[in-house]
Amino acid sequence: AQKITQTQPGMFVQEKEAVTLDCTYDTSDQSYGLFWYKQPSSGEMIFLIYQGSYDEQNATEGRYSLNFQKARKSANLVISASQLGDSAMYFCAIRSGGSNYKLTFGKGTLLTVNP
Amino acid sequence: GAGVSQSPRYKVAKRGQDVALRCDPISGHVSLFWYQQALGQGPEFLTYFQNEAQLDKSGLPSDRFFAERPEGSVSTLKIQRTQQEDSAVYLCASSLGVLALTDTQYFGPGTRLTVL
Repeated sequence: AQKITQTQPGMFVQEKEAVTLDCTYDTSDQSYGLFWYKQPSSGEMIFLIYQGSYDEQNATEGRYSLNFQKARKSANLVISASQLGDSAMYFCAIRSGGSNYKLTFGKGTLLTVNP
Repeated sequence: GAGVSQSPRYKVAKRGQDVALRCDPISGHVSLFWYQQALGQGPEFLTYFQNEAQLDKSGLPSDRFFAERPEGSVSTLKIQRTQQEDSAVYLCASSLGVLALTDTQYFGPGTRLTVL
């Protein structure tokens, strides 16, 4: 079984500052992928960034980067230079070799960017 | 549009009614997924299609839930005799490939179902 834990129900950040959203995971598989999605109030899940378990470098995608610490089983999302439009729910998800099509999501973190 | 579309966006049903939710995946995407998202929770897997074949329906909560994708493109999730606990957002996602860890699932806007 796979599990994602997001311990921050809500986070606040000032516009233009950086913020880290926490994610820890549990899986018995050696091969897995970690995903972050953004869900604004409109409801659509927007893909942000992917990290493979065998990737040696942390993933980056524009203002998004992933702080991947495999030994600690953590995959924290870092958003740099926050913008008002970043206010949304953020979900971490895992997909592993044992069930490599379905995503298992955490409960999410609600990020609010203050002007 | 190039994205996943779902209809209706909102559905209100009286308890006991049948509902049908539609998903139009991105053209050419082989894999299609349905997820259920309860209020304040992350999405939970319901079922998976590879083309027209339903390879996994282990997440469907009861035999009142039925999904199909007869021609390998559009999919319909049907819920019979709706109950209040079925109230949730139903998300559809599609991905280009098959069973690769790197395959990104692209989601539609969801259908918010409210059962009175």
